[in-house]
Amino acid sequence: DQQVKQNSPSLSVQEGRISILNCDYTNSMFDYFLWYKKYPAEGPTFLISISSIKDKNEDGRFTVFLNKSAKHLSLHIVPSQPGDSAVYFCASWASAGGTSYGKLTFGQGTILTVHP
Amino acid sequence: GAVVSQHPSWVICKSGTSVKIECRSLDFQATTMFWYRQFPKQSLMLMATSNEGSKATYEQGVEKDKFLINHASLTLSTLTVTSAHPEDSSFYICSARAPHRYGYTFGSGTRLTVV
Repeated sequence: DQQVKQNSPSLSVQEGRISILNCDYTNSMFDYFLWYKKYPAEGPTFLISISSIKDKNEDGRFTVFLNKSAKHLSLHIVPSQPGDSAVYFCASWASAGGTSYGKLTFGQGTILTVHP
Repeated sequence: GAVVSQHPSWVICKSGTSVKIECRSLDFQATTMFWYRQFPKQSLMLMATSNEGSKATYEQGVEKDKFLINHASLTLSTLTVTSAHPEDSSFYICSARAPHRYGYTFGSGTRLTVV
């Protein structure tokens, strides 16, 4: 049961353009959503998060959008830079309880490649 | 702040031996830590939740007798892979959540290769 899905295994973008990474979830108990960046053989690095009471959160070049009715979130990176090339994971957890309480559930990841 | 240190970063061991991986929260106390496993080109899969002073909670399908977790203090959790076999070769990552923060901080991971 894949509760968090990233349907695009990879994304290729030109430097300076926008990168849009998508994520869907099925568990209605999830109320906190995070995006992580990961390089091979390293632990994930936290990028940005959003709680279910918001629909947008911005931090520099990174913006996360949340559409609760569609159970969909996206990460926008503008402008994209070659250094952004990595695997991006979305993750969710339930702060209020249920079987997912306190546990991060990850999507499969999307490999982003930003070409110079 | 909120740094999680994980050691070793890589280890090679022979089949049948045991390997211990340490996860430390350096600048905060963590009553709960999480252990994940990642296979190549796959997502991070939660293996178990480590609770300070009590037994770990394992996810379905994870052998608790093979993956021993000890959380003896508020800053240290260990994962011991017992009687390791080549199929245990993987990337193991721990994480913890610092108080008053919603984000989880991850260790740098441990690459285990069983030969």
